Amino acid sequence: DARVTQTPRHKVTEMGQEVTMRCQPILGHNTVFWYRQTMMQGLELLAYFRNRAPLDDSGMPKDRFSAEMPDATLATLKIQPSEPRDSAVYFCASGFFGPQHFGDGTRLSIL
Amino acid sequence: AQTVTQSQPEMSVQEAETVTLSCTYDTSESDYYLFWYKQPPSRQMILVIRQEAYKQQNATENRFSVNFQKAAKSFSLKISDSQLGDAAMYFCARMGMAGGTSYGKLTFGQGTILTVHP
Repeated sequence: DARVTQTPRHKVTEMGQEVTMRCQPILGHNTVFWYRQTMMQGLELLAYFRNRAPLDDSGMPKDRFSAEMPDATLATLKIQPSEPRDSAVYFCASGFFGPQHFGDGTRLSIL
Repeated sequence: AQTVTQSQPEMSVQEAETVTLSCTYDTSESDYYLFWYKQPPSRQMILVIRQEAYKQQNATENRFSVNFQKAAKSFSLKISDSQLGDAAMYFCARMGMAGGTSYGKLTFGQGTILTVHP
């Protein structure tokens, strides 16, 4: 079965460091989403691409977060500088006019 | 705001019994998709079942079925013959079908933790 691949699976780093999370969507999917999951806020949509164009990043703190899709096989989410409150599980999902398929997530811990 | 509400933070069921998880949603759209996702402790988000709003027939996937009440904006999940492997967090979600930037976006409920007792 085709899968969304996310790397790294876990990341522990110190406050102030740059963090980059990567996602390889399922081949042929034209939409890519980044979500953040925390106990307090649940699942929040951070950013959303369709055909590699950013459509909605209103859920993302713009001063420190950035999301890009340099090509159809790679989406990235960067945090610079990172803060302890960014600790969460970050999911990438992809889809094509239907349900989204999720990656296994990146568990991020900022010390 | 277009919200999804799961009013049961936790539910439990005996193995082999049936359990129903509740979900209500708010939307101004006439066409949309509804989903139930399962998140076990491994944290994977697994699609359990989907329902297109224009279809009147309730979706069924093996032991999982839904009761879709469009007028009441209700979408409950029934798990029959519960198994230990069904223990997980279950999320109800709505996907917009309106044009523009809202198309394809998922709105999630807060989740229901399901415990299955042997």
